[in-house]
Amino acid sequence: NAGVMQNPRHLVRRRGQEARLRCSPMKGHSHVYWYRQLPEEGLKFMVYLQKENIIDESGMPKERFSAEFPKEGPSILRIQQVVRGDSAAYFCASSPTVDNTDTQYFGPGTRLTVL
Amino acid sequence: GESVGLHLPTLSVQEGDNSIINCAYSNSASDYFIWYKQESGKGPQFIIDIRSNMDKRQGQRVTVLLNKTVKHLSLQIAATQPGDSAVYFCADHFSGGYQKVTFGTGTKLQVIP
Repeated sequence: NAGVMQNPRHLVRRRGQEARLRCSPMKGHSHVYWYRQLPEEGLKFMVYLQKENIIDESGMPKERFSAEFPKEGPSILRIQQVVRGDSAAYFCASSPTVDNTDTQYFGPGTRLTVL
Repeated sequence: GESVGLHLPTLSVQEGDNSIINCAYSNSASDYFIWYKQESGKGPQFIIDIRSNMDKRQGQRVTVLLNKTVKHLSLQIAATQPGDSAVYFCADHFSGGYQKVTFGTGTKLQVIP
């Protein structure tokens, strides 16, 4: 059973470009979470999605950031008009249910560098 | 606001010794706690968890202790090995029907050979 997959692993963008980060959850998992991690810091919750629904986006910046988890295909975190402050590692996690004691399994992350 | 935080940013331990990593949480409603290990360049990896109705839980070489009175959590690693070198995060889950995880800053464990 493959783990959570994220691609690309490394992404370089110039200021003003768009960044698309993809996350494929573990097989059988229908809950996806996105986190951002700045160097030497902890993970900050961004958004929680189920198939075709955004459940909690309280950690998402109000502008330029969006996320989706379509019925088919991976979850996408989209950052428009990137700025240098967007440089960070973005992690995706998945879980099989929404039970409060279900462990989240993390992917390897996408490291975004904005030049 | 509610938060989960760690006391020590860096911990250096001699190989073979025991390691203790501490964590404080502030949300009394939190009822599920997890320790994650993050190696350089990788995503967090689940180590061990504990529910609020327990005080102690043991795994393979790891033990988590929960003190609800003072809202304190600790991770004990027995016979620390070089492979244990990583950043360790504690996290708490709210009882809100879904898992909005709050992570502390993390403690970097350095194992000295």
